[in-house]
Amino acid sequence: EPEVTQTPSHQVTQMGQEVILRCVPISNHLYFYWYRQILGQKVEFLVSFYNNEISEKSEIFDDQFSVERPDGSNFTLKIRSTKLEDSAMYFCASILLADTQYFGPGTRLTVL
Amino acid sequence: EDQVTQSPEALRLQEGESSSLNCSYTVSGLRGLFWYRQDPGKGPEFLFTLYSAGEEKEKERLKATLTKKESFLHITAPKPEDSATYLCAVQEVDYQLIWGAGTKLIIKP
Repeated sequence: EPEVTQTPSHQVTQMGQEVILRCVPISNHLYFYWYRQILGQKVEFLVSFYNNEISEKSEIFDDQFSVERPDGSNFTLKIRSTKLEDSAMYFCASILLADTQYFGPGTRLTVL
Repeated sequence: EDQVTQSPEALRLQEGESSSLNCSYTVSGLRGLFWYRQDPGKGPEFLFTLYSAGEEKEKERLKATLTKKESFLHITAPKPEDSATYLCAVQEVDYQLIWGAGTKLIIKP
């Protein structure tokens, strides 16, 4: 069964460093999303991406964040200068059309 | 303000003891309501999508129902492997998902 994959599973970084989180969505899906979940809190929407551009973004997704689909399979989230409060689980999701989002296993980002 | 509220926050049941989880919502335009299961340290795993009031869906020991204001996830004769956090999310007309905080379900053998 096709699934969304994410790498790395755990990323530890120093405050102020850049990180890139990677996702491989399900191959025929068209819409891609990033969410984050701070430990013990709700899942929060970051950004949606369709047709090689951002379609929606939340207030969390400020100038420190960017997304890219550098090739036909990868979907990346970059945080330019990490802060302590960026520590969270980051989930990638994809859908074929406007329906059920399928989630990857997540990347745990720890900012020290 | 659009909101999704889940109750209870946590629920402990004995194996075989049936119960229900609640998800109430206030959104301007509902496209769909989603139930996900999340195990610790893992991504949400899709369970059900409901689109209109009166709709019901079932999968093994789980049954989801939808009204105009809330959804219920009924768990019949649960087993320890049903222990997880159950998340409800509402999709608005702009396709964004608004998430509830989840109900942590613990099934004791």
